[in-house]
Amino acid sequence: DVKVTQSSRYLVKRTGEKVFLECVQDMDHENMFWYRQDPGLGLRLIYFSYDVKMKEKGDIPEGYSVSREKKERFSLILESASTNQTSMYLCASRGDTYEQYFGPGTRLTVT
Amino acid sequence: AQSVSQHNHHVILSEAASLELGCNYSYGGTVNLFWYVQYPGQHLQLLLKYFSGDPLVKGIKGFEAEFIKSKFSFNLRKPSVQWSDTAEYFCAVTANQAGTALIFGKGTTLSVSS
Repeated sequence: DVKVTQSSRYLVKRTGEKVFLECVQDMDHENMFWYRQDPGLGLRLIYFSYDVKMKEKGDIPEGYSVSREKKERFSLILESASTNQTSMYLCASRGDTYEQYFGPGTRLTVT
Repeated sequence: AQSVSQHNHHVILSEAASLELGCNYSYGGTVNLFWYVQYPGQHLQLLLKYFSGDPLVKGIKGFEAEFIKSKFSFNLRKPSVQWSDTAEYFCAVTANQAGTALIFGKGTTLSVSS
């Protein structure tokens, strides 16, 4: 079974803090993704990576950056957290097929 | 750019009623199509997928979906819903090429009363 793990289930941060969300997959997948999920808006793609050190912007990259130094790990960084970044963050990975496997999510609250 | 439209924001049904959730996508090329489900408090799970071949695909828990290429649609169906089907359902599409990501619809919340 593919396993995608995220470092925290719940996180509370203050406005202006730098926030790191970590995601690890154990299936040697090439592709990894970060989404945010908000009520009524579905899942929106923030960034994705199709190889180590490669990254592509998704639909809503503003205010975020990513890092992929190792194949199994994909980090999402909020350089200066703001209240409008309060959301559920979902990481996913994908191998040779087009099926994406999702982690349990990190519910981030920025106060 | 690809986009996905789910017609219903919230659907309320009684147990044993039939279900159909609409999904349309916009993309001119070959696509792969998915339905994901998120039960309350749980993470996203794959319900079913279409890559090629028979346009009628069957998934878990009695769900099925039909790909109609001419209508750019991939509607989800279940003949008889159960209370345990209460969840949020997401349609998603990705272009059939490397370096692309799943694009999701906004989701449909299904509430089933017993």
